[in-house]
Amino acid sequence: GEQVEQLPSILRVQERSSASINCTYENSASNYFPWYKQEPGENPKLIIDIRSNMERKQIQGLIVLLDKKAKRFSLHITDTQPADSAMYFCAASGYGGSGNKLIFGTGTLLSVKP
Amino acid sequence: DMKVTQMPRYLIKRMGENVLLECGQDMSHETMYWYRQDPGLGLQLIYISYDVDSNSEGDIPKGYRVSRKKREHFSLILDSAKTNQTSVYFCASSRGLNNQAPLFGEGTRLSVL
Repeated sequence: GEQVEQLPSILRVQERSSASINCTYENSASNYFPWYKQEPGENPKLIIDIRSNMERKQIQGLIVLLDKKAKRFSLHITDTQPADSAMYFCAASGYGGSGNKLIFGTGTLLSVKP
Repeated sequence: DMKVTQMPRYLIKRMGENVLLECGQDMSHETMYWYRQDPGLGLQLIYISYDVDSNSEGDIPKGYRVSRKKREHFSLILDSAKTNQTSVYFCASSRGLNNQAPLFGEGTRLSVL
């Protein structure tokens, strides 16, 4: 089936530096790309998303970029804090036979060191 | 209050037993999902439901079945559970129109011994 590749799987950064996570998708018809943050023992929570009619979106210290030509999208966290340490998942919309579905990447474990 | 509720939160079963995981949502969302999460494998889609009695297989449906008789309720059933079905199971729901990010429940941690 369709896949979303997410890299890196582990990312360690120093506090106040920036962190970048990259994802690539296969289906050129994908038009919706959400990002989730998951803290240990909790459920994934939506933090930011972007649709294919945009190339860039920013919510406070989170920036998402979308390159439809390259079928690539990325999350950039500026001025990281220890509280940003968590698992991050990207996802891309796909087709589930009877309707739309989301395909998730395998996740990036971000560790922000004080 | 917008919420996806999963029951039970923790479950221990023996191999060969039947397992029923329940999920409810109070937002009248058309689409509901069941995912399992294992270390290094991310979130794998088991089944997706587009509305009552409109269910489709996801990427890993083998060994599972689902039931959706009411829009607000979506069940995952494991007939004769296997040890490799030990995992964390997440239910999620979203509006059916124009791709919306699913809202996840708190998860059910299932151990099959």
